Amino acid sequence: GAGVSQTPSNKVTEKGKYVELRCDPISGHTALYWYRQSLGQGPEFLIYFQGTGAADDSGLPNDRFFAVRPEGSVSTLKIQRTERGDSAVYLCASSLTQGDTQYFGPGTRLTVL
Amino acid sequence: DAKTTQPPSMDCAEGRAANLPCNHSTISGNEYVYWYRQIHSQGPQYIIHGLKNNETNEMASLIITEDRKSSTLILPHATLRDTAVYYCIVADRGSTLGRLYFGRGTQLTVWP
Repeated sequence: GAGVSQTPSNKVTEKGKYVELRCDPISGHTALYWYRQSLGQGPEFLIYFQGTGAADDSGLPNDRFFAVRPEGSVSTLKIQRTERGDSAVYLCASSLTQGDTQYFGPGTRLTVL
Repeated sequence: DAKTTQPPSMDCAEGRAANLPCNHSTISGNEYVYWYRQIHSQGPQYIIHGLKNNETNEMASLIITEDRKSSTLILPHATLRDTAVYYCIVADRGSTLGRLYFGRGTQLTVWP
């Protein structure tokens, strides 16, 4: 079946702009996770949803970052006033429910000029 | 923080077994050992996980020591397409915290 999909695959923006990154989880998966991966590092946790609610957003670096999952399926990660340091690959994962194996999407590569 | 220690790099000849070690000496009773790999420019790919017993699937085998303080991922017949960064992660499946701690992993290079 279809895996986790993320759009766009690449996003180039200018410093100060607003961006939205989209994640479509595996159908039926109730838990959804966002991670960020900088060059040469492992993925780092940002936020986790169980259903529509953010169960843990302690990994979001500051209040410029926000994520939603209004219907408990698709999620959008929103970054305001982007900075060059936000450049990274943003990864989304989903699992059947909390605690189950996480399956990752291909990521969105964000470049802030 | 990552609770695992892995060598930064290893290499292996094509067709031979690749044995990737991982130390997790502070693992708690409820924590599973997970292995993921990440091929260049792709998202992490789930490989296998286990609690106490050794596990095998179509991709790999996972050997966990009796004291659970270390484990080894075995790719029985490595191919060039197995070249990737391999991450060993410990995670509590019952925890309300969903995050996985990845660390830096082991870069496995399979050479012809």
